[in-house]
Amino acid sequence: DVVMTQSPLSLPVALGQPASISCRSSQSLVFSDGNTYLNWYHQRPGQSPRRLIYKVSIRDSGVPDRFSGSGSATDFTLKISRVEAEDVGVYYCMQAIHWPPLTFGGGTKVEIK
Amino acid sequence: QVQLVQSGAEVKKPGASVKVSCEASGNTLTDYYLNWVRQTPGQGLEWMGWITPNTGDTVYAQKFQGRVTMTRDTSSSTAYMELSSLRSDDTAVYYCARGESGDKIDYWGQGTLVTVSS
Repeated sequence: DVVMTQSPLSLPVALGQPASISCRSSQSLVFSDGNTYLNWYHQRPGQSPRRLIYKVSIRDSGVPDRFSGSGSATDFTLKISRVEAEDVGVYYCMQAIHWPPLTFGGGTKVEIK
Repeated sequence: QVQLVQSGAEVKKPGASVKVSCEASGNTLTDYYLNWVRQTPGQGLEWMGWITPNTGDTVYAQKFQGRVTMTRDTSSSTAYMELSSLRSDDTAVYYCARGESGDKIDYWGQGTLVTVSS
């Protein structure tokens, strides 16, 4: 199985400050069609996950532009340019090309400092 | 608007089975993959398997092979996930989630808490 490793585990951030989350995969996530299938999800306490970004860097509809995704092959990053109170929760990366199974990172908990 | 509405919480005894339903809006079950993902208390996300849109074929994670059965009823736009031989460590929130062929998971249901306890 492809292992997805996120860091840090916990990320305290002051309001208005930037945040960065790393996600590394044990195998390249570049598919034969040329796309890289790496998604990012945000889960607020008590809620279902919501997808923020797909194919490494494409924001879903309604996702604020303070969120950005980057990376290639096995090394990916989610950045929040200026953290707002509503951004707290756990962020997960997920790979969608080496299946079964689809695999998720262990999660990064973002909290306000 | 995409909607995935799951059945309510369940309490089961060890060894029993549970069947969770997921009612999907529009042509979700015939146009999208329908995944099942679980989240154990305080833990991350674990993919269990999916039903394909066109043929309704299933692919399961090896961990759940032999214990999980995923089905769908396109006439009622409802998908089902049945897990048998329940153990205490199957206590979790179970999510259905749809997705396209490439990206696999975009929208999630609200989740169903299954508690396994004697």
